[in-house]
Amino acid sequence: KNEVEQSPQNLTAQEGEFITINCSYSVGISALHWLQQHPGGGIVSLFMLSSGKKKHGRLIATINIQEKHSSLHITASHPRDSAVYICAVGANTGNQFYFGTGTSLTVIP
Amino acid sequence: DGGITQSPKYLFRKEGQNVTLSCEQNLNHDAMYWYRQDPGQGLRLIYYSQIVNDFQKGDIAEGYSVSREKKESFPLTVTSAQKNPTAFYLCASSISWMNTEAFFGQGTRLTVV
Repeated sequence: KNEVEQSPQNLTAQEGEFITINCSYSVGISALHWLQQHPGGGIVSLFMLSSGKKKHGRLIATINIQEKHSSLHITASHPRDSAVYICAVGANTGNQFYFGTGTSLTVIP
Repeated sequence: DGGITQSPKYLFRKEGQNVTLSCEQNLNHDAMYWYRQDPGQGLRLIYYSQIVNDFQKGDIAEGYSVSREKKESFPLTVTSAQKNPTAFYLCASSISWMNTEAFFGQGTRLTVV
C-alpha cells in the first residue's frame, strides 16, 4: 500500500507546454513537499505547503486538504525542467515522511 | 542562510569499508532523518532522531548506524554489513518530531565498488 501516489509516472512534453503533475495521499499530513531531482541525483526543494497555493517563477503548487490531493504545474516548460519530481508528505503523527516514486519529466526542445 | 547540508555529493568506496555520510543543519531543528533511494523506488526511512542523543530505527536500518551527539549533526555510517550499499541517501530535518514541515539536503550518491 502506497501512502503517496503520483501521476503520471513518465511525461514527455514539447518546450513551451503547460505541465501538470498530480499527487494523492492517504494519510493525515502537516505539510506536503515537492522535490526536484536532476540526473546525477541532487535534490532541490521546490515547495512546502500545508494549504492553498504557492508560486515561484514558472512553478505553481496547489493543495486540497479535504481531497488529499496536490498538483505541481509548470508553465512555459523548458528543457532545463527535465527532471524527476517527487511528492513527499509529512505525517501529522510525526516522525515520518512518505514519498511518491516520482514523475520523470522530459521536455523536448 | 539557514539550511541543511549533505556532503559529499558523490562518494566512492571499496567493498567491505565502512563509510560515513555527513548531514549538518543550522536551522535549530530537533528532528533529523535519513532516507535511502534505490532506482525506481520511493525513498525509505533508515533512521530518525527526535532530539539530540536519541535516535530510532526506521524501516531499513540493518547495516547502518547513526549518532546524534550534537543538535546540528546526524551522521550516517554505512557499515560493511549492509549488503547493497550503493544508493542515493537523503537527509532531512524538521522543527520537531511532531512537525514535519521539513528541509531536505541535496543528497549523497554512494557507489561501492
